[in-house]
Amino acid sequence: EAGVTQFPSHSVIEKGQTVTLRCDPISGHDNLYWYRRVMGKEIKFLLHFVKESKQDESGMPNNRFLAERTGGTYSTLKVQPAELEDSGVYFCASSQGISHEHIQYFGAGTRLSVL
Amino acid sequence: SQQGEEDPQALSIQEGENATMNCSYKTSINNLQWYRQNSGRGLVHLILIRSNEREKHSGRLRVTLDTSKKSSSLLITASRAADTASYFCATVFLGGSGSARQLTFGSGTQLTVLP
Repeated sequence: EAGVTQFPSHSVIEKGQTVTLRCDPISGHDNLYWYRRVMGKEIKFLLHFVKESKQDESGMPNNRFLAERTGGTYSTLKVQPAELEDSGVYFCASSQGISHEHIQYFGAGTRLSVL
Repeated sequence: SQQGEEDPQALSIQEGENATMNCSYKTSINNLQWYRQNSGRGLVHLILIRSNEREKHSGRLRVTLDTSKKSSSLLITASRAADTASYFCATVFLGGSGSARQLTFGSGTQLTVLP
């Protein structure tokens, strides 16, 4: 069974440009999460999809960030326009079921560098 | 929002020794989980302990939870060089709606096991 895959693994862009990160969850997982770790700080929650619906987007930092999950399969996270403080590692995770004890499976992350 | 803080930030030990990492959090939780991240890889779930549990074992891992002190510890016994990684605690807090399932992470402990 394939795990959570993220693309690209690393992206280097200039301030003001647009970047789109992609996450493919484990097949059959309805729950999809985005997290990010900025400048070696703690990993912070961004948002949570249940199928194609945004269940919780309380962690999204501002309106420069747009997440979508059309069809309830893969998800994209677009940053437009990117700022220097957006640099960090963006993780995607997926899980099945509705229990709060379900384990989240993480991708390897996308390292975003904004110059 | 709650935050987990981990102690120490970095730990270096010899192979065969035990490693203990601590985690503190600030609010009520439903469960606490520990994750490991090897360099350049995704986070891997290690163990989950519920709020009504005090201790849990899994192989060479031992986790304790003290809800009165809002703290947890992860003990890795007979460490191996392959245990070298970053270790994160993460809590799950069910908010008023009971729908929040995001993980709230600590800042992590970098463990280095020397051969």
